[in-house]
Amino acid sequence: QQQVKQSPQSLIVQKGGISIINCAYENTAFDYFPWYQQFPGKGPALLIAIRPDVSEKKEGRFTISFNKSAKQFSLHIMDSQPGDSATYFCAASLSTGGGNKLTFGTGTQLKVEL
Amino acid sequence: NAGVTQTPKFRILKIGQSMTLQCTQDMNHNYMYWYRQDPGMGLKLIYYSVGAGITDKGEVPNGYNVSRSTTEDFPLRLELAAPSQTSVYFCASSPRDRSNSPLHFGNGTRLTVT
Repeated sequence: QQQVKQSPQSLIVQKGGISIINCAYENTAFDYFPWYQQFPGKGPALLIAIRPDVSEKKEGRFTISFNKSAKQFSLHIMDSQPGDSATYFCAASLSTGGGNKLTFGTGTQLKVEL
Repeated sequence: NAGVTQTPKFRILKIGQSMTLQCTQDMNHNYMYWYRQDPGMGLKLIYYSVGAGITDKGEVPNGYNVSRSTTEDFPLRLELAAPSQTSVYFCASSPRDRSNSPLHFGNGTRLTVT
């Protein structure tokens, strides 16, 4: 079974701190690794994504670090803000086969405290 | 431009009842998906469609059926509701113009089977 393992399950960070969420995958054929952000009562929304040919991608305060040899990738949120409090899902998919069938991690509930 | 619209938002079913979860998108996306979200389990793919008239099973299709008669609509049918189908259901869509396009999610249907 294709799996994406995510940790931690929950995370509390002080305002201005760095939030770090980690994921590990098994299928070396995966070639697309997005992170989705979900607020209560809403559907997930794409936050940032990376392909395995790069080791890091940064968009504003959000950075993905990718380690192909270890089959791991992580999300770093710099200068965390209360508005970042949400559930974060890592995911992975193959670019073949039609569609974008994502395999999701189990989610991390982030709370940023004042 | 409403994006992906799901109805109803909430529903309570008795065991053995049937219902259809509605999903429509106005973005002319070819690909559509149904996921279920359970606490601590992430999102699991139930069914997906790469275009009108074409559907295929995802990771957890048992107990569900889908149809795709138009580009816009992708309803999910539960024939004999069981408590194990208590979940939050998300419909999503993505365009075909490039591989690994972001998924656009609706706001979900929260279903309870008692």
